[in-house]
Amino acid sequence: DQQVKQNSPSLSVQEGRISILNCDYTNSMFDYFLWYKKYPAEGPTFLISISSIKDKNEDGRFTVFLNKSAKHLSLHIVPSQPGDSAVYFCAATSKRNTPLVFGKGTRLSVIA
Amino acid sequence: DSGVTQTPKHLITATGQRVTLRCSPRSGDLSVYWYQQSLDQGLQFLIQYYNGEERAKGNILERFSAQQFPDLHSELNLSSLELGDSALYFCASSSSGETQYFGPGTRLLVL
Repeated sequence: DQQVKQNSPSLSVQEGRISILNCDYTNSMFDYFLWYKKYPAEGPTFLISISSIKDKNEDGRFTVFLNKSAKHLSLHIVPSQPGDSAVYFCAATSKRNTPLVFGKGTRLSVIA
Repeated sequence: DSGVTQTPKHLITATGQRVTLRCSPRSGDLSVYWYQQSLDQGLQFLIQYYNGEERAKGNILERFSAQQFPDLHSELNLSSLELGDSALYFCASSSSGETQYFGPGTRLLVL
């Protein structure tokens, strides 16, 4: 039973355009949502997070939107750059300092 | 650099053997988590330690065990290894928040 789902295994976007990565969850107890970026042969790197009391959080080129009623969140990257090419994981948890539940990831390719 | 270190980076061993993976958390972080990533899978939570005590358990096999030492470093012990145990093993640490910081991982190959 997958509690966090990333239904698109891959996404290809042109440099300079917007990348939108989507994530759905089933557990209504989740209160914190995080996005991680992973390059080959490296560990996941934290990008941005959002708590359930917000519907948007922004950090530079990265914005995360949360729609609690739809149990859906998305990560927007504007503008996309070739260095953004990586696998992006969505993760969720119900409380601070507790294990994260991860989606299977979306491979983003930004084409120059 | 997340500040979390893991050794070794690569490990090749045979079925039936036992290995130990080591993790040092970021300075000041009391929580250590272990995750497993198999081919084309997301990260699966194995076990969490907080200040030396086991805090949460996930999909960890009975052949696997872990501990956290007084200096807060942690070790994951994998025994009676099977081909299916080949995977990436990540350690993460956190302080009091929801953000976890990951180490570079140990790639285990069981032949």
